[in-house]
Amino acid sequence: NAGVTQTPKFRVLKTGQSMTLLCAQDMNHEYMYWYRQDPGMGLRLIHYSVGEGTTAKGEVPDGYNVSRLKKQNFLLGLESAAPSQTSVYFCASTQGARTGELFFGEGSRLTVL
Amino acid sequence: AQSVTQLGSHVSVSEGALVLLRCNYSSSVPPYLFWYVQYPNQGLQLLLKYTSAATLVKGINGFEAEFKKSETSFHLTKPSAHMSDAAEYFCAVSDFRGNNRLAFGKGNQVVVIP
Repeated sequence: NAGVTQTPKFRVLKTGQSMTLLCAQDMNHEYMYWYRQDPGMGLRLIHYSVGEGTTAKGEVPDGYNVSRLKKQNFLLGLESAAPSQTSVYFCASTQGARTGELFFGEGSRLTVL
Repeated sequence: AQSVTQLGSHVSVSEGALVLLRCNYSSSVPPYLFWYVQYPNQGLQLLLKYTSAATLVKGINGFEAEFKKSETSFHLTKPSAHMSDAAEYFCAVSDFRGNNRLAFGKGNQVVVIP
């Protein structure tokens, strides 16, 4: 039972570098999300997708891009990393309307120096 | 837009004592409400959810929550805290008009004192 898998789990970047976080789910879920978690801030939605080939902005989308070329994968990209993007990133997925239960990955801890 | 408020970022409770975490919501339509738990270095797991059926909802690990429309609240309780309850707890709300988007509270870090 893999569920939601995030790679990598840890990464250290220098300011200005780029990277991509990969989220893969094996539950055939339509909806996928990227959140960031910062101390005292809870979870804030970065981008989300309601199906293959679709993406939409969440609360804090600036500095991030996403793609959902395959239903099972949701990629989060940082084109030019900034120290303010130091955070723990969580991917989540859900079956669809009215279920409410999100299934989360274990998180990716990103540090930008 | 819907939102939830959780007061008190850190909550200390003695082992065996009542656990009470408060959550108040704001929503223009009947909400769906959730409590999630996050253990150290892990993702979030669903603890329980309210989806307009019974107002008293029972979840895993002995937790329960009561939906009170008049108070716009969905407080989480457990009669007797266990050391294993030490974790961060998040309340969340959705009206499901926004593509299954959940709005999370800022969380309560629960510390259990032996």
